[in-house]
Amino acid sequence: AQKITQTQPGMFVQEKEAVTLDCTYDTSDQSYGLFWYKQPSSGEMIFLIYQGSYDEQNATEGRYSLNFQKARKSANLVISASQLGDSAMYFCAIHNFNKYYFGSGTKLNVKP
Amino acid sequence: DVKVTQSSRYLVKRTGEKVFLECVQDMDHENMFWYRQDPGLGLRLIYFSYDVKMKEKGDIPEGYSVSREKKERFSLILESASTNQTSMYLCASSPGLAGVEYNEQFFGPGTRLTVL
Repeated sequence: AQKITQTQPGMFVQEKEAVTLDCTYDTSDQSYGLFWYKQPSSGEMIFLIYQGSYDEQNATEGRYSLNFQKARKSANLVISASQLGDSAMYFCAIHNFNKYYFGSGTKLNVKP
Repeated sequence: DVKVTQSSRYLVKRTGEKVFLECVQDMDHENMFWYRQDPGLGLRLIYFSYDVKMKEKGDIPEGYSVSREKKERFSLILESASTNQTSMYLCASSPGLAGVEYNEQFFGPGTRLTVL
């Protein structure tokens, strides 16, 4: 069975600073994908970034990067230069064989 | 653009009512999903369908059933709504790429259901 753990229910960050959201996972599969989604207060789930288990380089998408440490089974999301619009819930998810498992989420508040 | 639509953004029902939540996707995706989202619990999978008329139970199927008669449409049914089914319900779809690592899910806007 797959499992995702997000240990930070809520976090604050000052505008323009960087922030790291933690995600650890548990799987016995060799091949899997890791996703991060953002959910603003409006409720829609927005795809941010993806990391494959065989990717040797950490994924980056604009201000988002994924700190992937396979041996430690962690896939932390790093947001650089935080903006007020980054205030939202963030979910980490693991995917394999058409199934997805989500963590409990981290609520990020960006302070002006 | 992939579009996943859900029939209602907000729904209020009474205990014991039969409730239908509809989800439609327009990208010819094989897989469709129903999740329930509650504070502190993240998204939990209720049911999953990988083809027309095919379904698989997720982690919390009790009290729910599903129907997929056409590829683009996946319905979630609450046979007899109860107050503990008050929640946000999210539908999603993805291509049928079993075993492929990159397989993004596309989500609908969600239905916030309140059962009184």
